Amino acid sequence: GAGVSQTPSNKVTEKGKYVELRCDPISGHTALYWYRQSLGQGPEFLIYFQGTGAADDSGLPNDRFFAVRPEGSVSTLKIQRTERGDSAVYLCASSLTPAMNTEAFFGQGTRLTVV
Amino acid sequence: AQSVTQLGSHVSVSEGALVLLRCNYSSSVPPYLFWYVQYPNQGLQLLLKYTTGATLVKGINGFEAEFKKSETSFHLTKPSAHMSDAAEYFCAVSMEYGNKLVFGAGTILRVKS
Repeated sequence: GAGVSQTPSNKVTEKGKYVELRCDPISGHTALYWYRQSLGQGPEFLIYFQGTGAADDSGLPNDRFFAVRPEGSVSTLKIQRTERGDSAVYLCASSLTPAMNTEAFFGQGTRLTVV
Repeated sequence: AQSVTQLGSHVSVSEGALVLLRCNYSSSVPPYLFWYVQYPNQGLQLLLKYTTGATLVKGINGFEAEFKKSETSFHLTKPSAHMSDAAEYFCAVSMEYGNKLVFGAGTILRVKS
């Protein structure tokens, strides 16, 4: 597709369960970012990939959160032992390069609800 | 650490009136600055950005913003609001290679007919 695609668009899970959120970036974009947007707040950085490697994971809140991008394209954000506080919209973005003046294109997000 | 402050979580204007959405940032080095818009049930869309050069930046849909280093501000304006401008607007800053963005909390713009 032409834009950043995220699946599922909505996910409801029970506390303690494991979830995977998928991001399909724009073809050819080497940089991929995950953000989390809680209600009433702006997006907060979680992790970014340059190619297959995680270049900066300083925003991951704890070790229950993990992300991969094995072939340098699609990325999966994995959350173990989900907690109610993990409920948020998870946004993925991609850009052609990680350069600061390069536009980041965002997907529509995955709304995660932990009950 | 850098931060972004958007004054006013909600702004309401009449159709045809001036739109002014405020953004201040904290930074010890020149930042790159961005405004994004989020329409209901849609992803974030870039409105405009300041990197270097001219401090008055023009974006899509008639919006513009001016980078004022002395005031550490990057306020967003539009001379005449349209109903279709109703959305949430986010100011963001990037100061590191890696294009990691730090966002403000957002301002919801309501346009009254």
